[in-house]
Amino acid sequence: LAKTTQPISMDSYEGQEVNITCSHNNIATNDYITWYQQFPSQGPRFIIQGYKTKVTNEVASLFIPADRKSSTLSLPRVSLSDTAVYYCLVGDGYGGATNKLIFGTGTLLAVQP
Amino acid sequence: ETGVTQTPRHLVMGMTNKKSLKCEQHLGHNAMYWYKQSAKKPLELMFVYSLEERVENNSVPSRFSPECPNSSHLFLHLHTLQPEDSALYLCASSQDTGGWTEAFFGQGTRLTVV
Repeated sequence: LAKTTQPISMDSYEGQEVNITCSHNNIATNDYITWYQQFPSQGPRFIIQGYKTKVTNEVASLFIPADRKSSTLSLPRVSLSDTAVYYCLVGDGYGGATNKLIFGTGTLLAVQP
Repeated sequence: ETGVTQTPRHLVMGMTNKKSLKCEQHLGHNAMYWYKQSAKKPLELMFVYSLEERVENNSVPSRFSPECPNSSHLFLHLHTLQPEDSALYLCASSQDTGGWTEAFFGQGTRLTVV
């Protein structure tokens, strides 16, 4: 599985756009990029997933450059309730391999008023 | 509600006790997972089941024993635990074990070993 690297923490203010970048230099051809959000004492929650270019849903956007060695999660107009840990995962599960859903340290986003 | 239910939500047990954590999913998924999350640490994958068969066991001590009787239920049997085993234990399920699948997590069981 490709290893991911994210900033340990980020600070923002309400109403701002937040971009969290994840590096995955040895991503494989079949790997998908998935982001999860976790609040304290709760299980992670799926946010968005992509393979290349741009994906957008009602919660966030995911930008993936052509070389796919990094990805950026974009949260528009954050609020206090967006304070959480955000995890970037890559994996495929093809060829009989098991997608182990390995979580790294994640990025702690702190949104202030 | 994520469709994944864990019970109990909180558990306090002595080091000589035997207890079990239960996870149930109503999503029709084929894969289920156990994770451990200690304070201020990343989630640690413990076990993975696919179609009721264990496919991953990440060097977890034998005092943790998983059981998957069917695709909807997953248990974690605990015995002779240590205080350092105190943590949030999370269960998750996904349609299959492919990297493109979305995982759904339960609320977790907060375990305290005294």
